[in-house]
Amino acid sequence: DTGVSQNPRHKITKRGQNVTFRCDPISEHNRLYWYRQTLGQGPEFLTYFQNEAQLEKSRLLSDRFSAERPKGSFSTLEIQRTEQGDSAMYLCASSLGLTQYFGPGTRLTVL
Amino acid sequence: SQQGEEDPQALSIQEGENATMNCSYKTSINNLQWYRQNSGRGLVHLILIRSNEREKHSGRLRVTLDTSKKSSSLLITASRAADTASYFCATDTGTGANNLFFGTGTRLTVIP
Repeated sequence: DTGVSQNPRHKITKRGQNVTFRCDPISEHNRLYWYRQTLGQGPEFLTYFQNEAQLEKSRLLSDRFSAERPKGSFSTLEIQRTEQGDSAMYLCASSLGLTQYFGPGTRLTVL
Repeated sequence: SQQGEEDPQALSIQEGENATMNCSYKTSINNLQWYRQNSGRGLVHLILIRSNEREKHSGRLRVTLDTSKKSSSLLITASRAADTASYFCATDTGTGANNLFFGTGTRLTVIP
């Protein structure tokens, strides 16, 4: 399967812990996006990479959140000092043109 | 805040019937896209319509766009139980990132 993959699929952590998620985009896609989706809502944009450059960040991305895309391939999203409000599905998408292809997401539960 | 709002929030129909979902948005767009999300899974792209297009078809899907009213509709004809999912419209405002602004979704249930 050559779609977008995300790991882990599920993560349960205690408040205050740090977590890191990984996204592997479709190999030839130069654009990579992170979104967050809470229950009953549509996804909300967090950040965008073109190749290895992080070009845009949403106001939702507090200073506890950091994302990287070294070498312009996979990306990681780290949340430091997690809070219960961080519980959500974190979705990654990649694209070459206008259509974005989404991964299955990482469901984070903060206890 | 969310760019789009879908209507209705939930829709339940019998298999074989048509399903229509509407989306309204707030600002100018470059294109509008519809996505499907099955329970607990990722989003699957269905169709993209550009701001200079008024109607587009793909298999059993028909999308319309009215930029003067800032609205779009998605019609699924001859629905199947497998169409049961949440459907989201997403707008691309054409900024550098081409990031998408999603609505709150319509939950479609197709009863066999």
